[in-house]
Formats: sequence, C-alpha cells, structure tokens
Amino acid sequence: QKEVEQDPGPLSVPEGAIVSLNCTYSNSAFQYFMWYRQYSRKGPELLMYTYSSGNKEDGRFTAQVDKSSKYISLFIRDSQPSDSATYLCAMVRFQGAQKLVFGQGTRLTINP
Amino acid sequence: DTGVSQDPRHKITKRGQNVTFRCDPISEHNRLYWYRQTLGQGPEFLTYFQNEAQLEKSRLLSDRFSAERPKGSFSTLEIQRTEQGDSAMYLCASSLNINTEAFFGQGTRLTVV
Repeated sequence: QKEVEQDPGPLSVPEGAIVSLNCTYSNSAFQYFMWYRQYSRKGPELLMYTYSSGNKEDGRFTAQVDKSSKYISLFIRDSQPSDSATYLCAMVRFQGAQKLVFGQGTRLTINP
Repeated sequence: DTGVSQDPRHKITKRGQNVTFRCDPISEHNRLYWYRQTLGQGPEFLTYFQNEAQLEKSRLLSDRFSAERPKGSFSTLEIQRTEQGDSAMYLCASSLNINTEAFFGQGTRLTVV
C-alpha cells in the first residue's frame, strides 16, 4: 500500500464549477502538506503549503487538512480552463530526511 | 531568473550511453533534491543534499546513478550505462531550509532508445 493515495482521475468539470481534489495518507508522521499543479511536460508548481489542521485560503484555492482522518483536500472555486492540469498532493515528515512523498496526481480538465 | 534551472530540458540517448544532467537551485537555498517522475505517476524521491553533503539516497538510486553538489551550489546527476527503464522526467527542487516548501525546476526529460 502506498503511503499517499490520490485518485488519478481523469476529472472533467464545466467552467465555473467547484472542484474538490483529495488525498489520504497512512503515516501520522506527516506534518506538512502541499499541493502542486503540474502542466503537461512542465515541473510541479507549488500552490498551497499547510501545516495545521483546518483550512487555508488563497484566492480561488482552499487547502483543507484533517490530521485525525489523515485526509487532505484542495478546493478550486470558479474553475477556469487555465486550471486544467495535473494536481499533486505532497507531504513531508517533521523529522527525518524531509523528502516529499507525492500522491499519484489527479488529472483535471475544465471545459469551457 | 530566480527559479530552479535544469539543463538540458530534453535528452535522447542510446541504451548503454552515459548521461549527465545539471541543476542550478534558487540562490541561497541550502537543500537540493532530485526526483524522478514516470508517466502518470507522482515524482519519486531519489536523493537530497544539504549544502554539499549528500544526506540520503533512495533505494531507487542504483549503482549506475551518482549525484554531486560541489561547493553546495549547482548539482549534477549522472546515469551510467542507461537502460530503457531510465526513461523518465528527472526533476530538481530546492528549499531554503528544513521546514520550508520546495520549488521545482522544469525537469529534464530523458528518453533512452
């Protein structure tokens, strides 16, 4: 079983819809959580970085962390065609090597 | 340019050849990471450096792989005797210190034919 599970999709929604992307993890040692956006043939781009349980908002994006359930989410409001990309969740342990452990990525398409 | 820079962007090589990739991290970032990403998968950790010291290597990093970061600045990743299974995107990332976010470069896409 992978440490981080993420539904690979693909997920296709109409423009303007609210998008919900999710990851679950098995290791309670993970303390920092990130969401990256990756366009085709490009490197991952950091979108959100959170530590505490609860919500963190940045423009149209909201990251949610529930450490008790080992579950993180990314919400995209008023989705745009330019949001079409693969979204990767990543997390890191508080102690140890500090290497990022990624989910598989969810491929998202926003249809005009 | 203040981002992580990787060179080349794309490399096609014949099986059995050696290849070397370069990564220039964001200035003053102490930590530098190498990841490998295959199609449809998330990046997988290969190795990381704290300044010039290589502190951890993944089991994915076979003896054919070697990474260096002389003087704690740029880093190189060399693959010897390439195999078709080495075909992937090789990503470099850097971070300021232990608890801050990592920023990725555009990656080097390796195709072994």
